Amino acid sequence: DTGVSQDPRHKITKRGQNVTFRCDPISEHNRLYWYRQTLGQGPEFLTYFQNEAQLEKSRLLSDRFSAERPKGSFSTLEIQRTEQGDSAMYLCASSLKTGTGMEKLFFGSGTQLSVL
Amino acid sequence: GENVEQHPSTLSVQEGDSAVIKCTYSDSASNYFPWYKQELGKGPQLIIDIRSNVGEKKDQRIAVTLNKTAKHFSLHITETQPEDSAVYFCALHNTDKLIFGTGTRLQVFP
Repeated sequence: DTGVSQDPRHKITKRGQNVTFRCDPISEHNRLYWYRQTLGQGPEFLTYFQNEAQLEKSRLLSDRFSAERPKGSFSTLEIQRTEQGDSAMYLCASSLKTGTGMEKLFFGSGTQLSVL
Repeated sequence: GENVEQHPSTLSVQEGDSAVIKCTYSDSASNYFPWYKQELGKGPQLIIDIRSNVGEKKDQRIAVTLNKTAKHFSLHITETQPEDSAVYFCALHNTDKLIFGTGTRLQVFP
C-alpha cells in the first residue's frame, strides 16, 4: 500500500497521560501535515513540515503538543498531559511540493483519540 | 483568518437525482479549491479540484464550478448512487495549507 499510513487507528487514554501518534507519508512526498477533526466539523490545520523543517504551527497547537519529522520521512505528534478536550480524530496528510501554488493533499485514515 | 462557509449541512436525494453543494469564501488570493469525500471511519479522500485559472472541471459524474468574482465554488454530482452517501468537504488554499468547510452530509436513498 503506497498511501499515507497512521498508527494507531484508535487510542484510549486517561486524562493527564501522554500519547504519541505516528504518520508515514507517501514515500516521495516532501510535505507532511497534521490536522485535527472533531465530530461534525471539517479538519482543522495544526502544523506542517517540508522535509524535516516545521514551517508553520497553528494557534490551536498549545505547548502540550509537539510534532517532529526528524529525517524528513515519518512524523510523530505527541500530546502531553492529555485533556478531555483533546479527544478528536488526528489526521495526517502528505503532498509533493514542486513549485508555486498549492499541491494535492492526500490524507491517512487518522488516529481516533479518546481521553477519559 | 480565512473562513469557508459550506451549505447545506445535510442533503437527502433520491437515487438518480443530482446533488449540489456550495461554498463561499472571502480571501481573493485563494487559487486552489479541492473537494474531499469522507466515509465513516476513514480519512478525507480527494475527489476533484480546480485552480483559479479555470471556471469548470468535470470528471465523469462529478463537476466543480468556480466563480472567482462572486467568491463561491460548487460541487455537482449527477445521477447519484447510494455509494455517493458520505460527508463532503470543500477546501481552499491559504498560505501553504488547506482551510476546510464544515461539511455536507449527503444521503442518497435507493
